[in-house]
Amino acid sequence: EAQVTQNPRYLITVTGKKLTVTCSQNMNHEYMSWYRQDPGLGLRQIYYSMNVEVTDKGDVPEGYKVSRKEKRNFPLILESPSPNQTSLYFCASSPSGSNTEAFFGQGTRLTVV
Amino acid sequence: GEDVEQSLFLSVREGDSSVINCTYTDSSSTYLYWYKQEPGAGLQLLTYIFSNMDMKQDQRLTVLLNKKDKHLSLRIADTQTGDSAIYFCAESMGSGGYQKVTFGTGTKLQVIP
Repeated sequence: EAQVTQNPRYLITVTGKKLTVTCSQNMNHEYMSWYRQDPGLGLRQIYYSMNVEVTDKGDVPEGYKVSRKEKRNFPLILESPSPNQTSLYFCASSPSGSNTEAFFGQGTRLTVV
Repeated sequence: GEDVEQSLFLSVREGDSSVINCTYTDSSSTYLYWYKQEPGAGLQLLTYIFSNMDMKQDQRLTVLLNKKDKHLSLRIADTQTGDSAIYFCAESMGSGGYQKVTFGTGTKLQVIP
């Protein structure tokens, strides 16, 4: 089954404790993205990747890092999480840059206290 | 910059038609999309329309694009309780192979049995 898998689904952590949210896709897609969803703001893009070792900033990259060492994986790293990073995070993948066949993960709800 | 706006809430009776509206500001959009988000789930791409089209129909879904007014709508015919969800419109633009997607804030559709 074609899917984008994020882990964990839920996470509560403390300020400053480094964490990684994993994202994996089994469709051999070149394009992958991370978004955060906040009430009243819709989805905002954090980072995206057009292929292995090719990443670029989205609209709200501050406080986040990503890596793309393999095509299937695109982890989101929060080196020093802060409460304003409490949000619902989605990973997405697409075979083309047009995003007309985009697949989203189930989401990771992160709470930073 | 890009801005995509939607009303926050829509309530319809089962069997009626739903029309969800969206306005966007960037006239250089390439594609415009409609996504559906069910509770606790990721986003599911429902349909998209290329910016040089006026209308696209797919079973119960009709997308209308008024490029002059920068207005996009999604009509759902014979709305069912399973259509209850948050609907996001989005636009994409860009060159060089990657289309950056900007999402609206989402419209929560409530279907009353």
